[in-house]
Amino acid sequence: DAKTTQPNSMESNEEEPVHLPCNHSTISGTDYIHWYRQLPSQGPEYVIHGLTSNVNNRMASLAIAEDRKSSTLILHRATLRDAAVYYCIPDRIGNQFYFGTGTSLTVIP
Amino acid sequence: EPEVTQTPSHQVTQMGQEVILRCVPISNHLYFYWYRQILGQKVEFLVSFYNNEISEKSEIFDDQFSVERPDGSNFTLKIRSTKLEDSAMYFCASRQNSYNEQFFGPGTRLTVL
Repeated sequence: DAKTTQPNSMESNEEEPVHLPCNHSTISGTDYIHWYRQLPSQGPEYVIHGLTSNVNNRMASLAIAEDRKSSTLILHRATLRDAAVYYCIPDRIGNQFYFGTGTSLTVIP
Repeated sequence: EPEVTQTPSHQVTQMGQEVILRCVPISNHLYFYWYRQILGQKVEFLVSFYNNEISEKSEIFDDQFSVERPDGSNFTLKIRSTKLEDSAMYFCASRQNSYNEQFFGPGTRLTVL
């Protein structure tokens, strides 16, 4: 299974952009890269996913390296509600969804 | 917006008792999952279910655990004889196909005394 490496924690000022990195060097060619977040006392929440191209949605942008061994989740303007643990997950079709320990994002007002 | 629901929100049980945790996935989804999260720890995969059978399970999902989709709408997790270490949040998730996003329920907090 593709394992991931993320910083344990990051801080951002409110209204500033945040770049959350993830290394997934053992990813296979067919694994989608998913990002989820978990707010305190809640279940995981989908953020974004992609395969090769950069992706944008209303929550965030996902930048995927050309060799697909790393990706970066971009929150364009962090708000206090974005304080959560963020997980990047290489999703192998039919395989386990491995969450890892994620990055705990603190947003400073 | 459609959502995954779970009942009960909190279940307290005595060690050795059987519990059934219930989930209603989003109606047109085909893949179903159970995860658990022990307090202060990471989310752990338990089992995935597709086409009325288990497609993958983790080492945690031993003979004490079973899953069922009894009526085409509910998806249940049964723990036959609960242990203290089964105390955790249990999350159900569903997805429409095998590569798009999973939608998670709010969780059931299981406390085993």
